Parts: sequence; structure tokens; C-alpha cells
Amino acid sequence: GAGVSQSPSNKVTEKGKDVELRCDPISGHTALYWYRQSLGQGLEFLIYFQGNSAPDKSGLPSDRFSAERTGGSVSTLTIQRTQQEDSAVYLCASSSPEGRVTGELFFGEGSRLTVL
Amino acid sequence: SQKIEQNSEALNIQEGKTATLTCNYTNYSPAYLQWYRQDPGRGPVFLLLIRENEKEKRKERLKVTFDTTLKQSLFHITASQPADSATYLCALFKSSASKIIFGSGTRLSIRP
Repeated sequence: GAGVSQSPSNKVTEKGKDVELRCDPISGHTALYWYRQSLGQGLEFLIYFQGNSAPDKSGLPSDRFSAERTGGSVSTLTIQRTQQEDSAVYLCASSSPEGRVTGELFFGEGSRLTVL
Repeated sequence: SQKIEQNSEALNIQEGKTATLTCNYTNYSPAYLQWYRQDPGRGPVFLLLIRENEKEKRKERLKVTFDTTLKQSLFHITASQPADSATYLCALFKSSASKIIFGSGTRLSIRP
């Protein structure tokens, strides 16, 4: 596709359930980020994948959160045993190798997670 | 830990005036600073990048300054228009291999 694609766009789940959020970056983009944005807040860094390097997981808030990137393309963010404080918009972004000169990130529209 | 602060959560100004947004950071020495625009319900969109060795960068009605001594960036929109109303986010990173971190954003409203 032309842009970063995220699914689902909206997810409502019950506390304690596991959820998976998917990100399909722009083809050829080697860097992929996950951020979390709570209502009216800025972007909280979660995890960063760059090519074949080990991911920077320093932003993951707890061991309930994990992410993987298969084949250097699609990424899945998994939240286990969801809590109400996990409710937020989860944004994925990618950048190209050339984009690393400017660091320009291309964002998806986000997955809005609501934990009841 | 590093901290990025953007001035007031919201800024309201009259159409035609210059809007000035501030981004301050501590415990960090970025080599690059970016500004993004975010509309409600959408992902952020990249606007400008400025490097640590650049004092000022311009793009159409936008101007960004970067003062590494003050640890501050100013983002100006001249001749502001209602269509400029959005949330503006600053972001920092050290190198091409490092993560990009964001400030909390400033919601800008331009009234006709």
C-alpha cells in the first residue's frame, strides 16, 4: 500500500484479555516504531526495530507488552492480560533508509484500544 | 531520564498573527530536532527537521530555530490561518540509529 496500515482501527476488549495490534509499514522501510498516545497526551515511545538489529524495547511499560517484526516487514504488538490503563491509541510509524537522514517518520492512523 | 516539554497545552491566536510554539528538553543532547503536525484522529505528519549545527530552518510560512545552549527550539507559523489549527509535536533524536522521542504537543487554535 501507499502508506502505513494498522489494524484493527478500533478494538474494545475486556480487562484480562489479550490483544494483538498489527502494523504493515511502507514497503522498503527498514525502521519501524510503536508509540502509545493517551487522550490529549503526546507520544510515548514503546519499541523500535531497525533492520536486522536487536530491537530497542526500552519503552515497553511492562512484561505484558511485547512486539515482533517478521521478515523485516509486518509487526505485531501484543498486550497480554489487558488493564484499563492500557486504553490508548497505538501508533505505528516507519521510515526509509534514506529517511534516516531526516528521520522522517510516516505514521499510520493508529489502533484505538479500549479496555473495559 | 530525558524530558521534553512543550509550552502550554493550548495556544489560541488571531488569524494573520504569528504563532510561536516552544519545545524545551533536559538530560538529552539531540543532534536532530523535528516538528510534526497532528490533526484529531490522525497520525502525526512530518513538517521540518533541523540539525544541531543549524540555527534556523524555513519552509514556506514555517520557521524553526534550534538553540543547543538553551536546549530549546522555537516553531513559528507566520500569517496564521484557521487551517493551521492542529496539535504540533516536537521530536528529538541523536543519530540515524537511535530512537525518536516526542514531546507532549501543543494544541494550536487559530480564530478567524
